[in-house]
Amino acid sequence: AQSVTQLGSHVSVSEGALVLLRCNYSSSVPPYLFWYVQYPNQGLQLLLKYTSAATLVKGINGFEAEFKKSETSFHLTKPSAHMSDAAEYFCAVTEDGNKLVFGAGTILRVKS
Amino acid sequence: GAGVSQSPSNKVTEKGKDVELRCDPISGHTALYWYRQRLGQGLEFLIYFQGNSAPDKSGLPSDRFSAERTGESVSTLTIQRTQQEDSAVYLCASSLQGLAGETQYFGPGTRLLVL
Repeated sequence: AQSVTQLGSHVSVSEGALVLLRCNYSSSVPPYLFWYVQYPNQGLQLLLKYTSAATLVKGINGFEAEFKKSETSFHLTKPSAHMSDAAEYFCAVTEDGNKLVFGAGTILRVKS
Repeated sequence: GAGVSQSPSNKVTEKGKDVELRCDPISGHTALYWYRQRLGQGLEFLIYFQGNSAPDKSGLPSDRFSAERTGESVSTLTIQRTQQEDSAVYLCASSLQGLAGETQYFGPGTRLLVL
């Protein structure tokens, strides 16, 4: 069965600092992996996705993630945090497209 | 073009009442999904529709939950005899063909509160 673990329910960084949100997955077959962002009182928006092409995936707003099969990880990074990055981030996995299995989410706080 | 829309945006109901939640997917999208997001938790899959195929109902938590979809358009999620544990945000998503790796586009959700 597929599963996703996001380490750290809350992450706090200073403005301009590196953002690192961790995601580990479990899947019996090569997975498709996604990062979604949810701003307060808004729906989920796709940041980026891995679909077995390049292992380093670039997304919107300067975010990127690297698929590491040996570590079963798909961590999300951004070199320099901006106040507008404050939101909740969800990692998700799917094998067949029928459904996404989500992690519990990580709330990112950006301090000025 | 228009995104996924859901109605109502908020619903307050009394325990034991039935509720209907509506989802309008992106035009042309054949796959439609319902998820539930409880406070402080990730999203849980509820049900999936793809074209004329039988829906995947494997995520429905009880027989009080049901969903229908008219062709490749509107879907309604019905919760009968609501319980307080049904309080959550119900999110609908659609994708073009339901293929693995396709982006699912989410609506803004319906926030349900059962008193």
